[in-house]
Amino acid sequence: GENVEQHPSTLSVQEGDSAVIKCTYSDSASNYFPWYKQELGKRPQLIIDIRSNVGEKKDQRIAVTLNKTAKHFSLHITETQPEDSAVYFCAASRGSTLGRLYFGRGTQLTVWP
Amino acid sequence: GAVVSQHPSRVICKSGTSVKIECRSLDFQATTMFWYRQFPKKSLMLMATSNEGSKATYEQGVEKDKFLINHASLTLSTLTVTSAHPEDSSFYICSALRLLAGANVLTFGAGSRLTVL
Repeated sequence: GENVEQHPSTLSVQEGDSAVIKCTYSDSASNYFPWYKQELGKRPQLIIDIRSNVGEKKDQRIAVTLNKTAKHFSLHITETQPEDSAVYFCAASRGSTLGRLYFGRGTQLTVWP
Repeated sequence: GAVVSQHPSRVICKSGTSVKIECRSLDFQATTMFWYRQFPKKSLMLMATSNEGSKATYEQGVEKDKFLINHASLTLSTLTVTSAHPEDSSFYICSALRLLAGANVLTFGAGSRLTVL
């Protein structure tokens, strides 16, 4: 099955700085890569996703990049704000079985004011 | 927007008893739902794919006799933890697929925290 590795496990940044979280995956057939934000005690919320036919996608302060050859993808958050503090999970799946997501271990992001 | 509801949100039970957790899609029909397990400060682990009207598909290493999944209607999937033991204590989250504007969108429930004494 798919194996998703995520780094770092914790990340602390000053408000306004950028944060980068990196993930690698093992299954070359994976072609859908979502990122979820989970606040304490709440459900995971999709913040951005990317499919394997593109290399980068942006949505305001959030961007995701994908390198299919190297099998890694990254989340970039610019101009971080305290409300960005949460656990972020990357995931991978085959588009044909969307929903069968294999998650990374998560990154606890703390943004200090 | 699409809402997936889980019940109960918290449950405490004695070792050896069985516990049922419900996952409902409130404003859409979901032929496919997924069950995940999340340990404290850990990732979500996919347990099984719940298919309406047919047997669930379990991930490797997940005991199907331990975690019974039933998807009897297009809006409800249930997970029953049978003969629960303390090591089954965890946060269980379901998700449901919805077709929206030609794309499949995955929505998570709020989770159910199970504590087995």
